[in-house]
Amino acid sequence: EAQVTQNPRYLITVTGKKLTVTCSQNMNHEYMSWYRQDPGLGLRQIYYSMNVEVTDKGDVPEGYKVSRKEKRNFPLILESPSPNQTSLYFCASSQGGNNSPLHFGNGTRLTVT
Amino acid sequence: AQSVTQLDSHVSVSEGTPVLLRCNYSSSYSPSLFWYVQHPNKGLQLLLKYTSAATLVKGINGFEAEFKKSETSFHLTKPSAHMSDAAEYFCVVSALAAGNKLTFGGGTRVLVKP
Repeated sequence: EAQVTQNPRYLITVTGKKLTVTCSQNMNHEYMSWYRQDPGLGLRQIYYSMNVEVTDKGDVPEGYKVSRKEKRNFPLILESPSPNQTSLYFCASSQGGNNSPLHFGNGTRLTVT
Repeated sequence: AQSVTQLDSHVSVSEGTPVLLRCNYSSSYSPSLFWYVQHPNKGLQLLLKYTSAATLVKGINGFEAEFKKSETSFHLTKPSAHMSDAAEYFCVVSALAAGNKLTFGGGTRVLVKP
């Protein structure tokens, strides 16, 4: 089954404790992206990757890191989480190109206390 | 530059009545436009997309949207709402000339009353 898998689904952590949210897709997609969803703000792009070893900042990259060492994986890293990073996070992938629809994971709800 | 405005943050309809979700966009390029639906505790799922072919686009679950360039709108409609349509809906604009950047609207939450 074609899918984007994020882990974990729920995560509660404390300020400053490094964490990683994993994302994997099995569709051989070139394009992958991370979004955060906050009430009334829709989805805002954090980082995206056009291909292996190619990453770029989205609209809200501060406080986040990503890597794309393999085509299928695109982890999101919070080196020193803060409470304002409490949010619902989505990973998505597509074949690339502005006509290509995104395939989304089921989300990771992060709470930073 | 590009932006998306969903004109209603919440819409309430009765089951069996029409649904209208309004979306206006702004883009300096020739955009592609999408509608996604998000059910509770789920990721977003594509409903339909416009990519400069027919201006009336049919999607899944009986939804359709009409691209109106003169009005810079891409409103989503369904003739008869079903209880399963209760969800949040996002209008999205993308443009190749903008580096394939996707810009999301703020979302419209649909409530369907029995």
